[in-house]
Formats: sequence, C-alpha cells, structure tokens
Amino acid sequence: AQSVTQPDIHITVSEGASLELRCNYSYGATPYLFWYVQSPGQGLQLLLKYFSGDTLVQGIKGFEAEFKRSQSSFNLRKPSVHWSDAAEYFCAVGNTDKLIFGTGTRLQVFP
Amino acid sequence: GAGVSQSPRYKVAKRGQDVALRCDPISGHVSLFWYQQALGQGPEFLTYFQNEAQLDKSGLPSDRFFAERPEGSVSTLKIQRTQQEDSAVYLCASSLLGGEGDEQFFGPGTRLTVL
Repeated sequence: AQSVTQPDIHITVSEGASLELRCNYSYGATPYLFWYVQSPGQGLQLLLKYFSGDTLVQGIKGFEAEFKRSQSSFNLRKPSVHWSDAAEYFCAVGNTDKLIFGTGTRLQVFP
Repeated sequence: GAGVSQSPRYKVAKRGQDVALRCDPISGHVSLFWYQQALGQGPEFLTYFQNEAQLDKSGLPSDRFFAERPEGSVSTLKIQRTQQEDSAVYLCASSLLGGEGDEQFFGPGTRLTVL
C-alpha cells in the first residue's frame, strides 16, 4: 500500500541554521511527490513538487528537495531558516486522484 | 475568486446534529477534493469530484458522510448525526484538471467540533 512516513514529529532550529526535514515513501511506481507547508489558520501551500527529471527540485521560499529512488526518500532542505518558516510541513505522494500525506513535522524556530 | 474558500471557518455541533460544510473552488477548476485532518495528523482523503461527477468516495468513513457538487462548482460536505470522532478540520482543495500530477490548491478549512 502507498504510504508516506515523516519520522520527525517536531524539530527545533535556530534562525539562520540549515534545515532538513525527512520524508520516506512507499509507492509501486514512479511517484509524484510534494511538500506542503501549513501555517496556523492557513490552508496548505505547495512548496515544491517532483514528477520526473532532475532529482533536485527548487521550490518557493528558498526550499529545495532531493528525490532519491534508492532510499525512497524526498527530503526537504533549506540552507538558512527564517523565523517565518515556523509551521507544519507535510510530505505527500500522488496516488491517482488523491494525495497521501505524512503525519507532518512541526518546525519551531528560535531567534 | 483568488483562492479556494470554505465556510463556515468554525462549526460547533452537538452530538447527533447534522452539519453542512461548503467549499468554493477556484473558478474554472475541474477537480475538487475533500480531506479530513484530525488533530496532530496529516490530511486524509475523503472524496473527489470531476465536474459534477463523484469519481471516488472511498475515503468517506461512514454512510453518515455525503458530498455533492451538483453544478460542477460549489461543493457541500454533509455529515449526518455527528459523533465526537467527527471532530476535525475539513479541507477542500481544487485542481485545474485533476490526476496525480496536478497541483491541488487548498482552502483554509472548516474546524468542526462535536460536543
């Protein structure tokens, strides 16, 4: 069955530090992969997506993610975190007509 | 409109009451999705429409849940005889065409609390 695992429930970083959020997926074919961000009271906003081609994808707000087929991973990275990046981050895999989400990683940023 | 809108933003219901949640998708978007997000969890798929046709309702948890999109635009998710376990945020999303690669645009959600 298709699934997404985000092993880190909560991550705390200092402003300006680098960030990596982990995502592992289980999917039978070449996956469509997404990262969404959810701020309190806001809807989910797409950060980036991977369909095919270059395995390093660039997104909005300075985020990037790397698809590694051998590790079934799609980790999200940012070289320097800003206080406004504090939010909940969800990895998702596209499965025909729906998205399958992970349980999310809550990012806290300290000044 | 500029984005997906949902109403009401907050709904409190007594157990056993019926509720109706509304979603206005982005104009021109063919596909519409409903997800349920329990506290501390990721969104879980409920149902999917392409225009007015409900193509997938495999995620609806029980026959108390019903969704419709009669004119292929606005959609309503109805929950009959609400139970405490129905308490969650209900998210609506729309996409231009649908399909596993198409970006889904999400609304702010309706937070349902069943007392």
